Amino acid sequence: GAGVSQSPRYKVAKRGQDVALRCDPISGHVSLFWYQQALGQGPEFLTYFQNEAQLDKSGLPSDRFFAERPEGSVSTLKIQRTQQEDSAVYLCASSLVWTPGGEQFFGPGTRLTVL
Amino acid sequence: AQRVTQPEKLLSVFKGAPVELKCNYSYSGSPELFWYVQYSRQRLQLLLRHISRESIKGFTADLNKGETSFHLKKPFAQEEDSAMYYCALEGGANNLFFGTGTRLTVIP
Repeated sequence: GAGVSQSPRYKVAKRGQDVALRCDPISGHVSLFWYQQALGQGPEFLTYFQNEAQLDKSGLPSDRFFAERPEGSVSTLKIQRTQQEDSAVYLCASSLVWTPGGEQFFGPGTRLTVL
Repeated sequence: AQRVTQPEKLLSVFKGAPVELKCNYSYSGSPELFWYVQYSRQRLQLLLRHISRESIKGFTADLNKGETSFHLKKPFAQEEDSAMYYCALEGGANNLFFGTGTRLTVIP
């Protein structure tokens, strides 16, 4: 079956540009997560949705980062006025319904390079 | 504060040798712990989780609350075990805290 998909897989942006990263979760998955993975580091939590509701955005590093999931399915992570420190792999994950100890299913990631 | 420490960035073992990937955590409550794995050119995927107390691909992990550890073990390493391994903690919230990962190389 189809897993979590993300697009684009690679994105190069000039400093100051806005970018939008897309995540298509597994069909029927209620919970959706975004993570940022810098080179040589583990993934770091950015934000969490349950359906269309953004229940936790405590990991977003600045107000330049914005995420939405308007219809409770596809999600978009937007980064405004990109900076070099935004260069990272952005991972999306989904789960059927979040429960303690539940499995998250990850997408392939989008590698963002800011020049 | 929640923290996951994987002290080894790189670990090499010979095929057939035992392997142990270390993970220590810091959390004031009762955590849920996971091992995620990323094989070459594949996406991050769940290997095993404490709550299930299962053995996957010959790997096991025991939660030691006294030592705050969740080390991953396998008695006989195989070449296909070569991958990046991440220990992760779910601390009562709806997200995972990951360690920095250990790259395991199994030498034929």
